[in-house]
Amino acid sequence: QKEVEQNSGPLSVPEGAIASLNCTYSDRGSQSFFWYRQYSGKSPELIMFIYSNGDKEDGRFTAQLNKASQYVSLLIRDSQPSDSATYLCAGRMDSSYKLIFGSGTRLLVRP
Amino acid sequence: SAVISQKPSRDICQRGTSLTIQCQVDSQVTMMFWYRQQPGQSLTLIATANQGSEATYESGFVIDKFPISRPNLTFSTLTVSNLSPEDSSIYLCSVATGTHISYEQYFGPGTRLTVT
Repeated sequence: QKEVEQNSGPLSVPEGAIASLNCTYSDRGSQSFFWYRQYSGKSPELIMFIYSNGDKEDGRFTAQLNKASQYVSLLIRDSQPSDSATYLCAGRMDSSYKLIFGSGTRLLVRP
Repeated sequence: SAVISQKPSRDICQRGTSLTIQCQVDSQVTMMFWYRQQPGQSLTLIATANQGSEATYESGFVIDKFPISRPNLTFSTLTVSNLSPEDSSIYLCSVATGTHISYEQYFGPGTRLTVT
């Protein structure tokens, strides 16, 4: 069964620190990965996606993909209390358009 | 990106009844999906809504319980039939944009269903 695994957390970091969120996946045929942020009571919001090995940066966010080790990470620089949310990792497997979601990591940024 | 609206935003329904959820997108999209998110859980794909043909259901979900329509490229409905308390959940419409390589998926605001 194709799976995406995340530590449920909570991950607690002080304001201004770098938050590092990690995700592993089981299917080597996975093509691309997505990070979503979900505030309590709200729907998931797409932060960024990555499909090539290496880093992809967008503002304070950096996604990292390592296909050989089958992990994806999201770094949030200069973390703010407003970043406190659940972060969902999702993988797009093979040539399908379907996404497989991890269970999410709850991030808490302490003022 | 795409702007997605859903109606209703929430509803309380009695056991044995049905609820139909509407999803409207501000532009034509190829792929539309319906997800369920149970309390404290991650997202589970119910089905892919196909324009002009029957939806493609995931394991554990059947058409009789979750009939889906997609009459055009901007609109879809999900019906949750014969409701039971176990159907209490958030139901999310999602659309995919971009190419096969550069592919993005967005979610609507969700419909919170409570079954009493």
